[in-house]
Amino acid sequence: NAGVTQTPKFRVLKTGQSMTLLCAQDMNHEYMYWYRQDPGMGLRLIHYSVGEGTTAKGEVPDGYNVSRLKKQNFLLGLESAAPSQTSVYFCASSTRTGSDRKAFFGQGTRLTVV
Amino acid sequence: TQLLEQSPQFLSIQEGENLTVYCNSSSVFSSLQWYRQEPGEGPVLLVTVVTGGEVKKLKRLTFQFGDARKDSSLHITAAQPGDTGLYLCAGARRSSNTGKLIFGQGTTLQVKP
Repeated sequence: NAGVTQTPKFRVLKTGQSMTLLCAQDMNHEYMYWYRQDPGMGLRLIHYSVGEGTTAKGEVPDGYNVSRLKKQNFLLGLESAAPSQTSVYFCASSTRTGSDRKAFFGQGTRLTVV
Repeated sequence: TQLLEQSPQFLSIQEGENLTVYCNSSSVFSSLQWYRQEPGEGPVLLVTVVTGGEVKKLKRLTFQFGDARKDSSLHITAAQPGDTGLYLCAGARRSSNTGKLIFGQGTTLQVKP
């Protein structure tokens, strides 16, 4: 009963390095999201996907890329990390929209860029 | 510009006290959700309110959606240390068919024994 799993849980990068965060869900959800959480800012949407093979920009997409090659996986990439990308990243998935829509979140990835 | 404003941002109270957290916006939402997040974990959904004026209760927690669907409140009766955490409201816009949620900045609640 894994739900949404994020890897890695912690990472330290040097400025300019690249990395990929992996999100996997086993609930057959169509919709998947990547958020970043910073103190006093709540959760801000980076990119999202409404189905396999589709992605779209969210509120703060600059410096990030995503891919959804398989329905169960949603990858977030940082091509050239910057200190401003130090944050906690959360992946979420949900069923199709509706009043009973429920989003499930992963445990987060704490990323520090030095 | 924060579309959903939560207040207060921080709240420290003694066990047994009552409290209310507010979530306000100038925009109309088709539904509004409340999440609770503990340190090192992702947010967990507590409730979804859909109808203007709707009130939902979850044990000692009471959630209300404003009549105009622009605001919501969370009231906790007789708070306990186990209620400590970050509370987030999140709204879904009527015009959106992508499931995107707009989050407030959160209210950090500390309940002291």
